Amino acid sequence: AQKVTQAQTEISVVEKEDVTLDCVYETRDTTYYLFWYKQPPSGELVFLIRRNSFDEQNEISGRYSWNFQKSTSSFNFTITASQVVDSAVYFCAPSPSGTYKYIFGTGTRLKVLA
Amino acid sequence: NAGVTQTPKFRVLKTGQSMTLLCAQDMNHEYMYWYRQDPGMGLRLIHYSVGEGTTAKGEVPDGYNVSRLKKQNFLLGLESAAPSQTSVYFCASSLPEVGSDTQYFGPGTRLTVL
Repeated sequence: AQKVTQAQTEISVVEKEDVTLDCVYETRDTTYYLFWYKQPPSGELVFLIRRNSFDEQNEISGRYSWNFQKSTSSFNFTITASQVVDSAVYFCAPSPSGTYKYIFGTGTRLKVLA
Repeated sequence: NAGVTQTPKFRVLKTGQSMTLLCAQDMNHEYMYWYRQDPGMGLRLIHYSVGEGTTAKGEVPDGYNVSRLKKQNFLLGLESAAPSQTSVYFCASSLPEVGSDTQYFGPGTRLTVL
């Protein structure tokens, strides 16, 4: 059985600090996909990134970066120089290959204080 | 492109009443999904559809029915609403293609059952 864990329920940082959100996906599958979504206070779900289990290269997009380590089943998301607009709930959502279904984590609420 | 739309945005029901939530997408996606989001529990899959005329159960299907009569629409029905069905409901759609399987979400429907 697969299990996704976002152990950090809530994180508070001061603006301009860097912050890392953790996600651990335990599975016996060798092929899967990993997604991150952002849910701002307005409630919609915004797609951030999709990675596959074969690609352990870090990815950087502006202030966002993602680090995937298959050996530890961790898929972490770092926001550099956080801003108040980054305040949201962030969901990690692995997808076993071929299912086209997500397994959502419980989310991490990030509060960035001015 | 409107993307994924949901009707209505808000609804209040009394216990035992019935209602239908409508999801529509204009991206020609084959797959469509209904989720519910409860505090502290992330998103859980209720039902999904892999194409027009087909539906399947997700993680929490009890108390709900769905229909996919047209490719672009996916309906979620509550025959006899219960307070436990108070939640935010999200619809999503995707293509069943590796590399293009990102799910795109509607804005959500907030349902309260009294």
